[in-house]
Amino acid sequence: TQLLEQSPQFLSIQEGENLTVYCNSSSVFSSLQWYRQEPGEGPVLLVTVVTGGEVKKLKRLTFQFGDARKDSSLHITAAQPGDTGLYLCAALGDNAGNMLTFGGGTRLMVKP
Amino acid sequence: EPEVTQTPSHQVTQMGQEVILRCVPISNHLYFYWYRQILGQKVEFLVSFYNNEISEKSEIFDDQFSVERPDGSNFTLKIRSTKLEDSAMYFCASRDRLATNEKLFFGSGTQLSVL
Repeated sequence: TQLLEQSPQFLSIQEGENLTVYCNSSSVFSSLQWYRQEPGEGPVLLVTVVTGGEVKKLKRLTFQFGDARKDSSLHITAAQPGDTGLYLCAALGDNAGNMLTFGGGTRLMVKP
Repeated sequence: EPEVTQTPSHQVTQMGQEVILRCVPISNHLYFYWYRQILGQKVEFLVSFYNNEISEKSEIFDDQFSVERPDGSNFTLKIRSTKLEDSAMYFCASRDRLATNEKLFFGSGTQLSVL
């Protein structure tokens, strides 16, 4: 089982600031997904990264997969209160069930 | 966008009682999952289900747990004799194809409280 460590665990910033959250492991991922979860809701997929060094952008969110495919980052530019939530990274398994292993998450609060 | 629906949203039960958590996956999806999230902890995989059988399960998914797809639309998780430590948010999820980029859709969860 791949162990995913996310940092920081909590982040509170002002609207308009930039931030980066990290997802790290000692294992190599075949692919990694980022989810956002709001209170009382299930995780919602933001992006899947597959190739080492890959960068994907989703509006103000930039996702990067490390060259060695052991780590990933999520950068948010000019954060808005609507970005508040729990950001989860998850590694996809290679076996039949294709299960996800989640990190502990970064809880982001963006204050107006 | 299509969605996975779960009922009930909240379930309170006494320790030792059986509970059934219900899910309606997205209609053309073929792969089904249950995950759980204990308050303040990680989302944890329980079981995956394809072609009317379990394809993978975690250590959490012991003999007290079972899953069933009783008809063409429902997917249920049964806990035979609940324990206090089963209290958690239980998420159902479904996927169309088993491809890396194929999106996994999660339901809004059932909050199970065992007293």
